[in-house]
Amino acid sequence: DGGITQSPKYLFRKEGQNVTLSCEQNLNHDAMYWYRQDPGQGLRLIYYSQIVNDFQKGDIAEGYSVSREKKESFPLTVTSAQKNPTAFYLCASSISTGANYEQYFGPGTRLTVT
Amino acid sequence: QKEVEQNSGPLSVPEGAIASLNCTYSDRGSQSFFWYRQYSGKSPELIMSIYSNGDKEDGRFTAQLNKASQYVSLLIRDSQPSDSATYLCAVRSSGTYKYIFGTGTRLKVLA
Repeated sequence: DGGITQSPKYLFRKEGQNVTLSCEQNLNHDAMYWYRQDPGQGLRLIYYSQIVNDFQKGDIAEGYSVSREKKESFPLTVTSAQKNPTAFYLCASSISTGANYEQYFGPGTRLTVT
Repeated sequence: QKEVEQNSGPLSVPEGAIASLNCTYSDRGSQSFFWYRQYSGKSPELIMSIYSNGDKEDGRFTAQLNKASQYVSLLIRDSQPSDSATYLCAVRSSGTYKYIFGTGTRLKVLA
């Protein structure tokens, strides 16, 4: 069953703690993405990766870090430097060659920091 | 700054009617256009992609693209209450791996 998995679905942390969100895909997609969605707002790009061992900052990368050691995995760490970490985090992947550029999303992780 | 604009709504239509959702984009180099449906509390689900001018139909959904006017729309025929959701327009520019999303239009289908 192909798709994108994110875990956990809900995550609660105390302020000042780093937290890592998992994202795994078995679609054989080259590119992977992390977005943040706040209530009533659109999706904002945090980081994206086109190939293994390479990634680029998106529009709101401050306070976040990523790694891409395997094609299937693109974990996101929310650090204590992120001022407003409470949000809905969405991982996505897409094919990066050919005529098909469709991007698909995982189910998301809802992070609450108090 | 590349932008994608959508009316936030809500757009209310009666059951069985046609819902028309619109989106404009600023980057003339954009090549790929997408519509996503997002139910409250859930992640976006891809429902249509369109790459060339004209119409593309898939079941009750029709995507329309006009690159000269930088305009893309989504028509939903025979709207059902289950179509009530937020619809996100997304654009991918040529030569990039980045997708720009609109803030979405909330659709309400009234039974």
